[in-house]
Amino acid sequence: NAGVTQTPKFQVLKTGQSMTLQCAQDMNHNSMYWYRQDPGMGLRLIYYSASEGTTDKGEVPNGYNVSRLNKREFSLRLESAAPSQTSVYFCASRSPAHTGELFFGEGSRLTVL
Amino acid sequence: KQEVTQIPAALSVPEGENLVLNCSFTDSAIYNLQWFRQDPGKGLTSLLLIQSSQREQTSGRLNASLDKSSGRSTLYIAASQPGDSATYLCAVREPGSARQLTFGSGTQLTVLP
Repeated sequence: NAGVTQTPKFQVLKTGQSMTLQCAQDMNHNSMYWYRQDPGMGLRLIYYSASEGTTDKGEVPNGYNVSRLNKREFSLRLESAAPSQTSVYFCASRSPAHTGELFFGEGSRLTVL
Repeated sequence: KQEVTQIPAALSVPEGENLVLNCSFTDSAIYNLQWFRQDPGKGLTSLLLIQSSQREQTSGRLNASLDKSSGRSTLYIAASQPGDSATYLCAVREPGSARQLTFGSGTQLTVLP
């Protein structure tokens, strides 16, 4: 079971460069999420997608854009990277069952110089 | 706004001890609460999910309890092992739309051989 797959796992960017983090899930989940994790701040929601074709802002959306390409894939784009975006990024999907259990990818560690 | 707190931030115990990790939340109107484990450099793995109508959930050596009225959950780990060393995070989901999942900052557990 692949579950939630993120690429790349590591990336170093220079300030002002752009990049896209890819996420795919094979569990047929409707809801998908992008979080960032920073020391001492826990996980913070960047964007989420409740279903294919819809996206909404989370707690910290500035500097990011997302695309829900299809039911499986949800990408996160940094148009002009800043050092403040150095973080570990996690993609997650949520089971449609009444429990709504959340499943995470292994993370993408991004450093912006 | 929901706030989730986990105290202590770090805990070190000798192998074999039974231990309790704490999670508190400020708004008792939750849909469910989920406990996760995170190993260094890895994503989050779901351990237990407790619905708001439940008092506890068990999986192997793990037992999670929920007291909504007091805004508290505990994760009990029996007979701890070095392999239990990881960061444990709790997250609460609020009723309503897909986005409301608030994470604590985690407790970093070290089990000494």
